[in-house]
Amino acid sequence: EVQLLESGGGLVQPGGSLRLSCAASGFRFSSYAMGWVRQAPGKGLEWLSGVSAAGVNIYYADSVKGRFTISRDDSKNTLYLQMNSLRAEDTAAYYCAKTGGSSSSWWFDYWGQGTPVTVSS
Amino acid sequence: EIVLTQSPATLSLSPGERATLSCRASQSVVSKLAWYQQKPGQAPRLVIYDASNRANGIPARFSGSGSGTDFTLTISSLEPEDFAVYFCQQRFNWPLTFGGGTKVEIE
Repeated sequence: EVQLLESGGGLVQPGGSLRLSCAASGFRFSSYAMGWVRQAPGKGLEWLSGVSAAGVNIYYADSVKGRFTISRDDSKNTLYLQMNSLRAEDTAAYYCAKTGGSSSSWWFDYWGQGTPVTVSS
Repeated sequence: EIVLTQSPATLSLSPGERATLSCRASQSVVSKLAWYQQKPGQAPRLVIYDASNRANGIPARFSGSGSGTDFTLTISSLEPEDFAVYFCQQRFNWPLTFGGGTKVEIE
């Protein structure tokens, strides 16, 4: 059974940093591209970042480029999102998601339960 | 950036009725469009990928069609568990983008 378990969310002051983790199990993690998607309270879905299998290609939304860094540790079956220079508008539930393939099937067939991030003073 | 516009914003229907949801892209995405279902307090669930392929475990009452810029998600006969918000997503171009969602509610 595929499972994605996010952690690392919480309350942080504007300008602060957080590192989200996503522990994956139930599939061959190293063979799949992975991504992060967020959802502000009462709003729609916003794709943030993606990393292909083996970390060959990395992509970011303009809204987080230069502030967020995606990475993966295939030895630990874990995906990360380092978030710096956080702003109030980054407040959202952050989802880790598995894609349908290694590098081109950029739809998300499994999602974690989400971890909440609140940016407030 | 490819903008996806979903309509209507809200669809009020009764169980057993047919639901037709639309997603229009600002430029062609060929057939590289997916649909997700999201219920309150839950993560999204993949329903359709590449315009017309049902994801694992999705009932046959769900179908997707379209190509280019106009796409449709059809639920042939609504079951109580189908009332939710549905989002479309394109994977044709970076950045990946989602539509604003259509809420299917019980009339």
